[in-house]
Amino acid sequence: NAGVTQTPKFQVLKTGQSMTLQCAQDMNHEYMSWYRQDPGMGLRLIHYSVGAGITDQGEVPNGYNVSRSTTEDFPLRLLSAAPSQTSVYFCASVRDGRNTEAFFGQGTRLTVV
Amino acid sequence: LAKTTQPISMDSYEGQEVNITCSHNNIATNDYITWYQQFPSQGPRFIIQGYKTKVTNEVASLFIPADRKSSTLSLPRVSLSDTAVYYCLVGDSGSARQLTFGSGTQLTVLP
Repeated sequence: NAGVTQTPKFQVLKTGQSMTLQCAQDMNHEYMSWYRQDPGMGLRLIHYSVGAGITDQGEVPNGYNVSRSTTEDFPLRLLSAAPSQTSVYFCASVRDGRNTEAFFGQGTRLTVV
Repeated sequence: LAKTTQPISMDSYEGQEVNITCSHNNIATNDYITWYQQFPSQGPRFIIQGYKTKVTNEVASLFIPADRKSSTLSLPRVSLSDTAVYYCLVGDSGSARQLTFGSGTQLTVLP
């Protein structure tokens, strides 16, 4: 199993550009989530999904869209990038509602100039 | 979700035992206590989880007193590679889809 795979690892965007951060897991986990981590801070939840076709907002959802068309994939879309979205983005998955262990990807470091 | 409080940073020397305490005064009956470890430029990694008393695995031990208002993560004989940020999280089984991270404790192991 590869676990949780995020692409790309690094990305530089210009203000106003859009892009999609990819996240895939091969563990057949029901739950998937996106977090952002700013320097010296803990992770903050952006969006999460409890299954294919079901998504919900987290603590900091503005400026981001998600969809979950398959169990494996949970892409995060930046609609119009802003410098305030410069951060490291982590995707995570959890087996199901009876489990409490989250598996994280290696992260995508995004810089918006 | 219960709020947690833990020290911002700790220093230790190689070979020592390190204890990181987390306070969670408003923990609910169904809540578990979970610790994650994060190395620079990596995603957090689950270390250990417990509900009450003591839990031990190959990496760490977790001590939880009877009132469950605090918990202590114990790392035996730390090495330089244990330098990382350690997060204490509290929540029920359904909360794993939306984890709430504080700032964590930066542990620095010195030679």
